[in-house]
Amino acid sequence: AQTVTQSQPEMSVQEAETVTLSCTYDTSESDYYLFWYKQPPSRQMILVIRQEAYKQQNATENRFSVNFQKAAKSFSLKISDSQLGDAAMYFCAYRSALRIKAAGNKLTFGGGTRVLVKP
Amino acid sequence: NAGVTQTPKFRVLKTGQSMTLLCAQDMNHEYMYWYRQDPGMGLRLIHYSVGEGTTAKGEVPDGYNVSRLKKQNFLLGLESAAPSQTSVYFCASRPLGREETQYFGPGTRLLVL
Repeated sequence: AQTVTQSQPEMSVQEAETVTLSCTYDTSESDYYLFWYKQPPSRQMILVIRQEAYKQQNATENRFSVNFQKAAKSFSLKISDSQLGDAAMYFCAYRSALRIKAAGNKLTFGGGTRVLVKP
Repeated sequence: NAGVTQTPKFRVLKTGQSMTLLCAQDMNHEYMYWYRQDPGMGLRLIHYSVGEGTTAKGEVPDGYNVSRLKKQNFLLGLESAAPSQTSVYFCASRPLGREETQYFGPGTRLLVL
């Protein structure tokens, strides 16, 4: 079974600065997806960024970028030019890319990292 | 499109009571999921469905039952609520396709006294 670990329960960043969130995972599969979700106080889960394991290029979405190290099974998220609206819980998640419908394409989540943004 | 909706938003139960949480999606998605979220543990999968009329157990299924009689609805039932089931419950749905991601509902906060 796959596991996802986020070792930082909480991170604090000054507005306009950069913060990096860590995520490691364990899998025996070679084809999979990794995600970062943001959960603001409203509780709504928002997809921030997605990485496909077979793509070597790191994904970027505006101020959000990842550092994907497949051999090390590491998937960190960098938030640049932090804004007050970035304050939230951030979850790393794993999904197999195997085409087995009965397996359900389930997401496995890490425990989350709370990001605090100081004005 | 309303997306994924959950009913109710908040509920208080006494130990031993039963209730059903309703998840509805209007996107014609094949897959649907129920998760629970507890502090420090992320979201854990309770049950899921890969199509109308089918359900399967996830990571933490004990104490819960589900049904998917209609493609757009996925019901989560608690037959005899326990304080350990105090949590925030999220429903999600996903269409077929390798590239697709899950769409989440707004969550239901459940307190069992």
